[in-house]
Amino acid sequence: EAQVTQNPRYLITVTGKKLTVTCSQNMNHEYMSWYRQDPGLGLRQIYYSMNVEVTDKGDVPEGYKVSRKEKRNFPLILESPSPNQTSLYFCASSSRTDSNSPLHFGNGTRLTVT
Amino acid sequence: GENVEQHPSTLSVQEGDSAVIKCTYSDSASNYFPWYKQELGKRPQLIIDIRSNVGEKKDQRIAVTLNKTAKHFSLHITETQPEDSAVYFCAAGGNTNAGKSTFGDGTTLTVKP
Repeated sequence: EAQVTQNPRYLITVTGKKLTVTCSQNMNHEYMSWYRQDPGLGLRQIYYSMNVEVTDKGDVPEGYKVSRKEKRNFPLILESPSPNQTSLYFCASSSRTDSNSPLHFGNGTRLTVT
Repeated sequence: GENVEQHPSTLSVQEGDSAVIKCTYSDSASNYFPWYKQELGKRPQLIIDIRSNVGEKKDQRIAVTLNKTAKHFSLHITETQPEDSAVYFCAAGGNTNAGKSTFGDGTTLTVKP
């Protein structure tokens, strides 16, 4: 089944403790992207990647890192999480190398930072 | 950068009525306009999209219209059903910055039986 898989689904952590949210897609998609969803603010893009080893900042990149060492994986790294990063996170992929095609979303990761 | 505004933020209709959600965008280079539906506790899923060379697209009860001159596009749902209740997001992509996608803030649609 074609899908985007995120792990974990739920994560509670403390301020300053490094964490990684994994994202993997099995559709051989070129484009991958991370979003955070907060009430009333829609989906805001954190980072995106248009190809392996190519990553770029979205609208809210502060406090996050990503890597794209292989096509299928696009982990989101929070080196020193803070409470304002408490949010619902979605990974997505699409078949083209840009944002000009439908996004396939993972099931989301709900992160709480205390 | 691109800015997408979506209205209204909440919309309540009676079953069988029509619902219209509107979005405006700022970057005239944007050329791809998808709509996503997000049911409670689930991921967003594409329901319809339109490209800038088309003025209207329809899929059963759902249609999207695009006015490139005015830089706005709209989602139309006819004969609404309770299962249409969800949050709907518009987005604009394929703009000056090819990799960025900008979403509206979402519209919570409630269809009352």
